[in-house]
This record gives sequence, structure tokens and C-alpha cells, in this order.
Amino acid sequence: DTGVSQDPRHKITKRGQNVTFRCDPISEHNRLYWYRQTLGQGPEFLTYFQNEAQLEKSRLLSDRFSAERPKGSFSTLEIQRTEQGDSAMYLCASSLVQGNEQYFGPGTRLTVT
Amino acid sequence: SQQGEEDPQALSIQEGENATMNCSYKTSINNLQWYRQNSGRGLVHLILIRSNEREKHSGRLRVTLDTSKKSSSLLITASRAADTASYFCAMWGGGGNKLTFGTGTQLKVEL
Repeated sequence: DTGVSQDPRHKITKRGQNVTFRCDPISEHNRLYWYRQTLGQGPEFLTYFQNEAQLEKSRLLSDRFSAERPKGSFSTLEIQRTEQGDSAMYLCASSLVQGNEQYFGPGTRLTVT
Repeated sequence: SQQGEEDPQALSIQEGENATMNCSYKTSINNLQWYRQNSGRGLVHLILIRSNEREKHSGRLRVTLDTSKKSSSLLITASRAADTASYFCAMWGGGGNKLTFGTGTQLKVEL
């Protein structure tokens, strides 16, 4: 399967702990996006990479959030000092052409207790 | 915050009927895309319509776009139980390198 993969699929953590999620995009896609989705809502944009460069960040991405894409391949999203409000589905997507269809991974569901 | 709003929020129909979902948005766009999300397959791209297009077809899907009214509609004809899912419109453009999603319509197709 050459689709977008995310790991882990589920993460339960206690408030105040740090968590890290990984996304492996489709190999030839140089554009990678992170979104957050809460129950009953559409995905909300968090950040965008073109190759290894992080070109855009949402105001939703507080100082506790950091994302990287070393070498322009896989990406990681880290949340430090998690809060209950961080509980959500974190989606990763990749695309080949800017503005065209994005291919989404299955998501990582984070629960902060 | 959500850029687009979809109507209705929820829709329940019988298999074989048509389903229509509407999307309204606020800023100028380069294109508008529709995605489907269900628990089995995650978020999947359905169709893309560019700002200079008015109508587009793909299989049982028909999308219209009215940029003067900042609105789009998705029609699914001859619906099947497998079409049960949440449907989201997503706007590209208005500045930035991102898709801005609507609030979604939950479609249930009953046998």
C-alpha cells in the first residue's frame, strides 16, 4: 500500500505529557499538511511543508506544537505539555501539485486524560 | 474557525434516491473540492471544481459552483448504502497554502 500512513493510530496520554506523531506521505509527494479534527467538525489546517521547509503555520498552532520534516520525507508533530483541549484526531495529508487533491492518512486519535 | 458552512447538517434518505448537499463560503477561491469521510476509509477526495468552471460530473456525482453567490452543491444520484458518510466541501485559495474545510453534512442512506 503506497498511501499516506500515520503512527500511532491511537494515543492516550495524561495531561502535561509530551506526545509525538509520525506521518509518512506518498513517496513522490513533496507537499505535506497537518490538520486537526474535533468531533462533528471539519478538519482545521495546522501547518504545511514543501519538501523540508515549513512554509505556513496556523494560529491554532500554539508554542506547544512543533512540526518537522527532516530531509523532506516523513514528518513529525509534537505536542508538549498536553492539555485536555488537545484531544482530537490529527490528520496528515500529502499532495503532488499545489492546490490539487490531497491524500489523507487514517489519522492519529489523541485522548488527553 | 471553519471557512465554509454546509447545509443540511444531516440528511437521511432511502437507497436509490438522490442526495443534495450545499456549501457556502466566505472568501474568493481558486478551486473547491469535496471529500468524503467514513470510519472505514478516512477522508477521501471526490471531485475538484475550479473557479472558472460551473459544473462538473464524475460518475454518480455532480458538482456545481456559483462564485457570485459563493456557493457550491454536491449531488449524489441513485444513492447506495455505501454512500453513508460525512461529506465536506473544502476551499483552496483566498491566500495561503491550505484547504479550508466546511462543517460537513452527515449522509445516511437506508436500505
